[in-house]
Amino acid sequence: RKEVEQDPGPFNVPEGATVAFNCTYSNSASQSFFWYRQDCRKEPKLLMSVYSSGNEDGRFTAQLNRASQYISLLIRDSKLSDSATYLCVVGGVRGQNFVFGPGTRLSVLP
Amino acid sequence: EPEVTQTPSHQVTQMGQEVILRCVPISNHLYFYWYRQILGQKVEFLVSFYNNEISEKSEIFDDQFSVERPDGSNFTLKIRSTKLEDSAMYFCASGDTVNTEAFFGQGTRLTVV
Repeated sequence: RKEVEQDPGPFNVPEGATVAFNCTYSNSASQSFFWYRQDCRKEPKLLMSVYSSGNEDGRFTAQLNRASQYISLLIRDSKLSDSATYLCVVGGVRGQNFVFGPGTRLSVLP
Repeated sequence: EPEVTQTPSHQVTQMGQEVILRCVPISNHLYFYWYRQILGQKVEFLVSFYNNEISEKSEIFDDQFSVERPDGSNFTLKIRSTKLEDSAMYFCASGDTVNTEAFFGQGTRLTVV
């Protein structure tokens, strides 16, 4: 089983749509969880950390279910600028080895 | 806003040559990382560095690779004898504590010919 798995994508959605990304991880001892976004040929940029209680930042909502080893990201009211690859990232047991999922590409269409 | 900076942005080298990729992490960060991303593939962990020593490394990080923090600001990745399959984007990252987010530099695109 792969360490971090994500929806294969790509997702093509119209502007204003709500889109949800799913991620599962295999190591139950993982300590930290993040969503990053990556534009084509650029570095990953932190979108948000994911906490057990769930957290929201504007149009973005992240959820963590430790029992199911599942992480989600919800984007509401999609903008053209949200087009990117969304990376689910899980911190290792000692937190020093961030494991990246393969990413899910999102295209928001006008 | 503080950021991680990497040089050069693009390096072309001949197979078998040594390359050194340079990074300046965010100044108050204590944890440093190198990742790589082969074109079209996922980001892969290479090595983490804390307290002047390697704290974790992946199977990719074999004897051809080494890291160093030669002074208080730079963090380098050396590839001793490059192979064609080392062609990738190499990202440096830093973080202030062990379980918090890492911030990435803009990457060095290494092309081995």
